[in-house]
Amino acid sequence: QQQVKQSPQSLIVQKGGISIINCAYENTAFDYFPWYQQFPGKGPALLIAIRPDVSEKKEGRFTISFNKSAKQFSLHIMDSQPGDSATYFCAAVASGGSYIPTFGRGTSLIVHP
Amino acid sequence: SQTIHQWPATLVQPVGSPLSLECTVEGTSNPNLYWYRQAAGRGLQLLFYSVGIGQISSEVPQNLSASRPQDRQFILSSKKLLLSDSGFYLCAWRASGGLRRTDTQYFGPGTRLTVL
Repeated sequence: QQQVKQSPQSLIVQKGGISIINCAYENTAFDYFPWYQQFPGKGPALLIAIRPDVSEKKEGRFTISFNKSAKQFSLHIMDSQPGDSATYFCAAVASGGSYIPTFGRGTSLIVHP
Repeated sequence: SQTIHQWPATLVQPVGSPLSLECTVEGTSNPNLYWYRQAAGRGLQLLFYSVGIGQISSEVPQNLSASRPQDRQFILSSKKLLLSDSGFYLCAWRASGGLRRTDTQYFGPGTRLTVL
């Protein structure tokens, strides 16, 4: 019940294309869904986050789509660039508790020039 | 502004040797602190978290331990390292009194540990 399933494990996209990463969860107590971007040898950095009271959040080329009934959320990277090549983690948090995020296993994104 | 530091950045240790990794946070008080381990090409495994000085919760039983001697200092230790302890160790913090809608977790730069 605490799992967050992330797919795909790896993704290769051409420059200018759209990258889509999907996550699914089971625990309905989750109410905060952040995405992290991690470059090799660096710590993860918060990219964008959403609460279930909205179905979409956009920040620049990055968009989160959230489907509460399906218990799914996804990250869309528009006009993907080689500099977007990184590992992306989704997470889910029940913020009313001890704030222990449940992370997906990560997606390695490679954007070819 | 808040910053999080970890040291050392890299460490190579022989099997059976002790370990001490340090994490400090600046610019905030009474943060929640976390230790994660990330194996090569794998996800984030929560090891320990702390909501205050001397308060440590362990998520995974193993030969590692954590301590929080000061409000903004978190230490990861081992008495005898195993080969399986190799990995990328990440410290993270969260503002414990943060507004619900700005709640997030921030990660440090990490320590790459290789046990030979």
